[in-house]
Amino acid sequence: SAVISQKPSRDICQRGTSLTIQCQVDSQVTMMFWYRQQPGQSLTLIATANQGSEATYESGFVIDKFPISRPNLTFSTLTVSNMSPEDSSIYLCSVVLGAEQYFGPGTRLTVT
Amino acid sequence: GDSVTQMEGPVTLSEEAFLTINCTYTATGYPSLFWYVQYPGEGLQLLLKATKADDKGSNKGFEATYRKETTSFHLEKGSVQVSDSAVYFCALSDHYRTFGTGTKLQVIP
Repeated sequence: SAVISQKPSRDICQRGTSLTIQCQVDSQVTMMFWYRQQPGQSLTLIATANQGSEATYESGFVIDKFPISRPNLTFSTLTVSNMSPEDSSIYLCSVVLGAEQYFGPGTRLTVT
Repeated sequence: GDSVTQMEGPVTLSEEAFLTINCTYTATGYPSLFWYVQYPGEGLQLLLKATKADDKGSNKGFEATYRKETTSFHLEKGSVQVSDSAVYFCALSDHYRTFGTGTKLQVIP
């Protein structure tokens, strides 16, 4: 199994600023994902971040807004840039280990 | 594209009541189907899965059967407990993209 931690767990940020979310996994994993979970809505995949390659972004998400780093097999960061209130959401890190997908506890972001 | 439709919540049940949370899907091919559970303050955890038609996934008293003819994967439990209070997500395997909107279950003593 994989245990995932995220920092920060929550934050309140001013519009126009940026926040970097960290994701740490206790196992080495190749496949890592970042999701957004808005209230009452399903999880939306932002990007897939495999170590050793550029992140692959889903339709509607761009690297300038959500830059991702994946420096090694246990760590990744997602930055939410130039934030607006519409970016208020829970951001989830997730990995695949074996045949199973694991999720972090999420980072609750509020943009004022 | 692929999609999952999940019954809306919240669902409030008394302890020991029977639970059904409906999930239907639209997909090309033959996806695997999953139920995840999210307890307060925690990440999603895999509850059960089924990889082909007529498979039944089960765990912790929960069951779901992969029904290809009705494109459904309804979650059931015969007797819920207060500790089952959580949000439940239905999902299918399309490169980790498709999740339901989640159904909040509250079980009262």
